[in-house]
Amino acid sequence: QVQLVESGGGLVKPGGSLRLSCAASGFTFSDYYMSWIRQAPGKGLEWVSYISSSGSTIYYADSVKGRFTISRDNAKNSLYLQMNSLRAEDTAVYYCARVNWPYISMDVWGQGTTVTVSS
Amino acid sequence: SSELTQDPAVSVALGQTVRITCQGDSLRSYYASWYQQKPGQAPVLVIYGKNNRPSGIPDRFSGSSSGNTASLTITGAQAEDEADYYCNSRDSSGNHLGVVFGGGTKLTVL
Repeated sequence: QVQLVESGGGLVKPGGSLRLSCAASGFTFSDYYMSWIRQAPGKGLEWVSYISSSGSTIYYADSVKGRFTISRDNAKNSLYLQMNSLRAEDTAVYYCARVNWPYISMDVWGQGTTVTVSS
Repeated sequence: SSELTQDPAVSVALGQTVRITCQGDSLRSYYASWYQQKPGQAPVLVIYGKNNRPSGIPDRFSGSSSGNTASLTITGAQAEDEADYYCNSRDSSGNHLGVVFGGGTKLTVL
């Protein structure tokens, strides 16, 4: 079945780094745009970044631009999010999602991985 | 970035019809998608495009749009529809290829 599984979350100090991974299965990963979305505790959804199927097109939310880097390895059916210079406000559950382009609808979601930034 | 505005909370009696709205300038140019999120779970896509339902989504869920407002309608709300609902669309501001989510609407089924 179509599945996305995130990993790599954890507790990190302010200013630290973390790399999230998302393993895809059950569909042709290289055909799809992919995205990261986060949700702070008790808050709504916030789009973080997306990457085109080939990796040639990438966009970021202003809140993470210059600190986060999205990438993918189509040979490994994997999506990544490198997070640097982490701040307390980056604390959230991070979801990876498959993007139904051009509708910009996220039609498959992972279960999420929790990132906590605290000293 | 542009914004999408949703009412924080809406309630509906069991079996009745409820409309959840999403307002924003980007909706004049782009369709909204709608997501249902229950506590402790990942969001689920329920409507995308003009009025498309992914496989497995009941036909009591429908979408529409007019001007700068997109709407999600649940016709004959069920107890299991109680959840948070989010809209999203393209960001129509300077970051034209970005994405924006609404703040979410908590639906209570009475």
